[in-house]
Amino acid sequence: AQTVTQSQPEMSVQEAETVTLSCTYDTSENNYYLFWYKQPPSRQMILVIRQEAYKQQNATENRFSVNFQKAAKSFSLKISDSQLGDTAMYFCAFMKPGANSKLTFGKGITLSVRP
Amino acid sequence: NAGVTQTPKFRILKIGQSMTLQCTQDMNHNYMYWYRQDPGMGLKLIYYSVGAGITDKGEVPNGYNVSRSTTEDFPLRLELAAPSQTSVYFCASSYSPETGGNGYTFGSGTRLTVV
Repeated sequence: AQTVTQSQPEMSVQEAETVTLSCTYDTSENNYYLFWYKQPPSRQMILVIRQEAYKQQNATENRFSVNFQKAAKSFSLKISDSQLGDTAMYFCAFMKPGANSKLTFGKGITLSVRP
Repeated sequence: NAGVTQTPKFRILKIGQSMTLQCTQDMNHNYMYWYRQDPGMGLKLIYYSVGAGITDKGEVPNGYNVSRSTTEDFPLRLELAAPSQTSVYFCASSYSPETGGNGYTFGSGTRLTVV
């Protein structure tokens, strides 16, 4: 079974600075997908970014980028130019392709952006 | 574009009562899921369905039941509510995950308190 570990329960960053959220996972699969979801106080789960394991290039979405280290089974999220609206809980998630596959989530990290 | 709609948004139940959490999606997704979110624990899968008429247990199915009579609807039934079922419940849907897809589309959640 796959496991996803987010060891930092919370972090804080100054507005306009850069912050990195850590995530590690454990799997014996070679092909899989990794995701970061954002959950603001509204409770809505919002997909931030996804990475396909067979792609060596790190995914980027505007101010959000990942550092995917397949051998180390590490998948960190970097948020550049942090904004107050980035304050939220962030979940790392794993999924292997195939019928009956499901998203497995980490415990999440609470990020606070200070004005 | 309604996406995934969950009702109710909030509910207080007394121990031993029963209720159904409603979930409907208008994206013609085959796959649907129910998760529960507890503080510091991330999201845990309760039940999922790969299509109308087909359901299967997730990680934490005890105390819950589901049905999937149509592609659109995936209700979650709580029988004999217990305080341990106090949680936030999320319904989600996706296209077939066989290609990894784009993650899930989530509803806005139901906060349930059992007293």
